Amino acid sequence: KQEVTQIPAALSVPEGENLVLNCSFTDSAIYNLQWFRQDPGKGLTSLLLIQSSQREQTSGRLNASLDKSSGRSTLYIAASQPGDSATYLCAVEGNRDDKIIFGKGTRLHILP
Amino acid sequence: EAQVTQNPRYLITVTGKKLTVTCSQNMNHEYMSWYRQDPGLGLRQIYYSMNVEVTDKGDVPEGYKVSRKEKRNFPLILESPSPNQTSLYFCASSLSTVNQPQHFGDGTRLSIL
Repeated sequence: KQEVTQIPAALSVPEGENLVLNCSFTDSAIYNLQWFRQDPGKGLTSLLLIQSSQREQTSGRLNASLDKSSGRSTLYIAASQPGDSATYLCAVEGNRDDKIIFGKGTRLHILP
Repeated sequence: EAQVTQNPRYLITVTGKKLTVTCSQNMNHEYMSWYRQDPGLGLRQIYYSMNVEVTDKGDVPEGYKVSRKEKRNFPLILESPSPNQTSLYFCASSLSTVNQPQHFGDGTRLSIL
């Protein structure tokens, strides 16, 4: 059964720093991995989707990488800003059953 | 505006009283899905649908029903709600089943007393 783990569970860093969030998964039979952002009391917003054949995707200050064989993905945030404070979740879509499994998220706080 | 709309946003009800949470999307998406989000457990998929009249169980389907009679609507039905179904529920949709980003609704907070 697919399991998705995100480390760390929470992170506080000063504004302006570059940071890396980690996501690992146990079953490499995936179509894709997505990174989402969730603000308190809100739904999820898709940030980046990496297909299983891809190694990375970039959007603005965000860069996500995928190493399917080792079951790992990282989300790199450059020059962090207070507005980046949110919970970041990763999710994988299995290619055996189309199920989507989420990690429990990393709660990020950017200190002004 | 492209969106996924859930109703109601908040509901407090009692054990055993049937309820339906509606979900509608205006993007002509094929794939729709329901999740529940609980502290310490994260987001877990309840049911999903790859197209009209096609539904499949996610990881936590017990106590829930769904239907997909039209492409735009995917209601979540709790026939006999119990307190352990108190949770924050999200509906999501994507253009197709594979390699398309999911769009989420704003969530429905259910409290079952």
